[in-house]
Amino acid sequence: ETGVTQSPTHLIKTRGQQVTLRCSSQSGHNTVSWYQQALGQGPQFIFQYYREEENGRGNFPPRFSGLQFPNYSSELNVNALELDDSALYLCASRAGTDTQYFGPGTRLTVL
Amino acid sequence: KQEVTQIPAALSVPEGENLVLNCSFTDSAIYNLQWFRQDPGKGLTSLLLIQSSQREQTSGRLNASLDKSSGRSTLYIAASQPGDSATYLCAVPGGSSNTGKLIFGQGTTLQVKP
Repeated sequence: ETGVTQSPTHLIKTRGQQVTLRCSSQSGHNTVSWYQQALGQGPQFIFQYYREEENGRGNFPPRFSGLQFPNYSSELNVNALELDDSALYLCASRAGTDTQYFGPGTRLTVL
Repeated sequence: KQEVTQIPAALSVPEGENLVLNCSFTDSAIYNLQWFRQDPGKGLTSLLLIQSSQREQTSGRLNASLDKSSGRSTLYIAASQPGDSATYLCAVPGGSSNTGKLIFGQGTTLQVKP
């Protein structure tokens, strides 16, 4: 157990809909990153938040957006869902140390 | 642009065998390298982290080595057990500093047969 939790565990949406995924960071961690992992692939970096500000972004379109709250919990929002958005979404938190602690992930299926 | 590659993509061994998983990266200016374990449909568990100034790290039956000049890291698993069956991923920070952006390989899926 890393202390990082994510909800929901699984989610099914249809193309064009919007989705919000949630992450609760490990206590004391002020940095959270989000990753997308397609089946059979390594995770791909989406973006990172530090003290409620986005401070790094991967090669993902603007319809992927996020928020970090004062308690350091975080959301990932995806608008206009596409079939290729089907993946495992992982969040990871850290407190300025080297190691990132990953949550169990949310499995998103887009039909 | 940093790229991380893991070979082989899959590996099947009998229980008790010692094995080596490989990870290569194209840009040797890395801050550190991390090995993770992922069980099917689950999140990632950090196994070992090697700083750029280190040559290896050990934890129990696991030993990870790092050769920055050749752009390679290996994860050695001694006396493999069925419980070691999982996907193993290596990752480096995207850039020479310790950014939160990790660049992952595609992973090696290990099956240890009883």
